[in-house]
Amino acid sequence: EAQVTQNPRYLITVTGKKLTVTCSQNMNHEYMSWYRQDPGLGLRQIYYSMNVEVTDKGDVPEGYKVSRKEKRNFPLILESPSPNQTSLYFCASSLDPGGRGQPQHFGDGTRLSIL
Amino acid sequence: SQQGEEDPQALSIQEGENATMNCSYKTSINNLQWYRQNSGRGLVHLILIRSNEREKHSGRLRVTLDTSKKSSSLLITASRAADTASYFCATDGSERGNNRKLIWGLGTSLGVNP
Repeated sequence: EAQVTQNPRYLITVTGKKLTVTCSQNMNHEYMSWYRQDPGLGLRQIYYSMNVEVTDKGDVPEGYKVSRKEKRNFPLILESPSPNQTSLYFCASSLDPGGRGQPQHFGDGTRLSIL
Repeated sequence: SQQGEEDPQALSIQEGENATMNCSYKTSINNLQWYRQNSGRGLVHLILIRSNEREKHSGRLRVTLDTSKKSSSLLITASRAADTASYFCATDGSERGNNRKLIWGLGTSLGVNP
């Protein structure tokens, strides 16, 4: 089954404790991206990747890191999480950037709470 | 930054009725997409309409696009309780010289009462 898998689905942690949210897709998609979703602010892109070893900042990259060592995986790293990073996070993938008309495939989300 | 603005923010209807949601955007586009998000889940692509198209259908969904008014509408006919979800429009950033990303609206929350 074609899917984007995120882990964990839920995480409660404390300020400053490094964490990684994994994302994996099995559709051989080149384009992957991370979003955060906050009430009243909608979906905001954090980082995106056009292909292996090619990543770029989205609209709200501060406090986040990503890597794309393999085509299928695109982990999101919070080196020193802070409470303002409490949010619902989504990973998405597609054949090429969404702006070119390809539908985005989303994971089920990771709800992060930073205390 | 957000380009699309959905209207209304929230909509509550009875099962069997039609639901119409609107999306307005600010800059020229190449295409516009609609997505659905069930509570606590990821977004699911519904339909894409290109700038040279005026109307598109998919099952009970009908999407229209008016580029002169920079607006689109999503009509769900004969709604079901399972249609309860948030609906988002997303446009490409072609005029901004950036077709690498989608620009998202804030969504319409639809509640369909059985």
